[in-house]
Amino acid sequence: GAGVSQSPSNKVTEKGKDVELRCDPISGHTALYWYRQSLGQGLEFLIYFQGNSAPDKSGLPSDRFSAERTGGSVSTLTIQRTQQEDSAVYLCASSLSGDTQYFGPGTRLTVL
Amino acid sequence: GDSVTQMEGPVTLSEEAFLTINCTYTATGYPSLFWYVQYPGEGLQLLLKATKADDKGSNKGFEATYRKETTSFHLEKGSVQVSDSAVYFCALSDRTGGFKTIFGAGTRLFVKA
Repeated sequence: GAGVSQSPSNKVTEKGKDVELRCDPISGHTALYWYRQSLGQGLEFLIYFQGNSAPDKSGLPSDRFSAERTGGSVSTLTIQRTQQEDSAVYLCASSLSGDTQYFGPGTRLTVL
Repeated sequence: GDSVTQMEGPVTLSEEAFLTINCTYTATGYPSLFWYVQYPGEGLQLLLKATKADDKGSNKGFEATYRKETTSFHLEKGSVQVSDSAVYFCALSDRTGGFKTIFGAGTRLFVKA
């Protein structure tokens, strides 16, 4: 079956512009996660959706970051007024029960 | 809060050497423990997991045992290969934390031929 997909695979934008990153989880997976991985660094948790519960936004680094999950499936991570320090690979993962996570290939964001 | 600490890298080994990557954790509940691997140019994927104390996860020659008494989940392999060169992440998922997964910082492994 299809895995987690993310789009775009690469995004280059200018400082100050808004960007939207999309994640399509594995069908039926109730949990969806967003992480950020800066060059040579570990995974930084951003936000977590579980079913119909309120999302855990505790990892969002600033109010420029927001995420939605529509219909319990597709998720969009939005970064407003991008800054150069936002440059990273943004990873999405989904899981059936919050246990094993299945990762997408990531979106590489470059802010010039 | 929950946390995961793993040994800093990079770790450089010769082919067929024994590998240990240490991982310890703190958790308020009874977490599941994981090792994920990221090969060069690829996405993260699950390597192995253990869901309760004394369980041993194993895959591709790698093993890790869930040690509650020492709050550890060290990754081992008896004989590494060049193809094992990757970044390894220890992680926990705790039901009492709503299954939010906490990752360690990652350990980069280089295996020389």
